[in-house]
Amino acid sequence: GQQLNQSPQSMFIQEGEDVSMNCTSSSIFNTWLWYKQDPGEGPVLLIALYKAGELTSNGRLTAQFGITRKDSFLNISASIPSDVGIYFCAGAPRAGNNRKLIWGLGTSLAVNP
Amino acid sequence: DVKVTQSSRYLVKRTGEKVFLECVQDMDHENMFWYRQDPGLGLRLIYFSYDVKMKEKGDIPEGYSVSREKKERFSLILESASTNQTSMYLCASTGVSSYNEQFFGPGTRLTVL
Repeated sequence: GQQLNQSPQSMFIQEGEDVSMNCTSSSIFNTWLWYKQDPGEGPVLLIALYKAGELTSNGRLTAQFGITRKDSFLNISASIPSDVGIYFCAGAPRAGNNRKLIWGLGTSLAVNP
Repeated sequence: DVKVTQSSRYLVKRTGEKVFLECVQDMDHENMFWYRQDPGLGLRLIYFSYDVKMKEKGDIPEGYSVSREKKERFSLILESASTNQTSMYLCASTGVSSYNEQFFGPGTRLTVL
């Protein structure tokens, strides 16, 4: 099936640093979603984006829906140890079955205290 | 609060056994999904259902079947488990009002020996 290009694949940073990750697609999306998964748990929704250009924050997290509707990014400011986990982007394409999400492969984040 | 529960967190089965994984959501959601997650492969959609008794194949349906007899419950069935079905299985649901925002259960780690 189709997949999103999510980068970077992994990051190892110092506590207090800012983090940026992004997702790109070859087709236009109506929705972008960002999830976080802790080890051994299911993904948890962090931010949902529904409009091109939309910028949404959730605490130290900020995500944007790209103007072209083919990309999205997630920023984490002032990282802390509990930010460790895998971050996934997901999107709903404009064409096709809108119930299904297309997923990125994830960005694994490690934070050094 | 949104809740998706899965019948087991960990399951060990033998090759050839029939395996049932159960998922229940308490949000009156129309759509339910089964994914499997393997390292480096992200989340891959097995089957989904948009209504009671309705089902659609995802990207990797081979070796699996599903059942949705009640709105709140979606079952994944491995007719004859094989070692290559050892994986983390995740159930998710979404409703018409939150059309694309999928809410996940905690996952079932299945090992087939």
